[in-house]
Amino acid sequence: DGGITQSPKYLFRKEGQNVTLSCEQNLNHDAMYWYRQDPGQGLRLIYYSQIVNDFQKGDIAEGYSVSREKKESFPLTVTSAQKNPTAFYLCASSMASDAGELFFGEGSRLTVL
Amino acid sequence: AQSVTQLGSHVSVSEGALVLLRCNYSSSVPPYLFWYVQYPNQGLQLLLKYTTGATLVKGINGFEAEFKKSETSFHLTKPSAHMSDAAEYFCAVSSSGGANNLFFGTGTRLTVIP
Repeated sequence: DGGITQSPKYLFRKEGQNVTLSCEQNLNHDAMYWYRQDPGQGLRLIYYSQIVNDFQKGDIAEGYSVSREKKESFPLTVTSAQKNPTAFYLCASSMASDAGELFFGEGSRLTVL
Repeated sequence: AQSVTQLGSHVSVSEGALVLLRCNYSSSVPPYLFWYVQYPNQGLQLLLKYTTGATLVKGINGFEAEFKKSETSFHLTKPSAHMSDAAEYFCAVSSSGGANNLFFGTGTRLTVIP
């Protein structure tokens, strides 16, 4: 079945540690996105990528980094510079950057202790 | 600039009753509008979308929404609630249909009472 796979589903880390969240899609989509979800705040865009080897900052990119070396993969690193990293992180993809229909993974819940 | 306001962070309805989730948007250009649903600890799934054309849009699971330009609204409705409809619902707006400028509302959690 085609879809988006995020891993791990749950992750616990100590303060000061970088963590990398995996996102893989087999939908042959060009565009991929990372969102952060906090209670009562909806979804906020962290980074997006429209094509391999290119990505753009979203609304809350500070403290995060991404790479897009393969069409299928768009990992997100939460660095120690992120002031409040505990959140639910969602990866999504779309057929093109001009398509508002997003396909989401099941999310990764990061808790920083 | 675009924005979305969802009135009511929590809505409760009885099973079989009408579901009405409110969404008002702000956009300087003709908007593209979306409703997404999120079940607990899962990603979001598209329910329906409005781009152009017919203002009454039908989606999955019996939901529909009507684009009302004069009221800048895109409310989501379902005639008869089912227990499986319990979830969080997000309204979103884009000025171009592009997901890189898609703005989400803060969500409405729907509870269905048996």
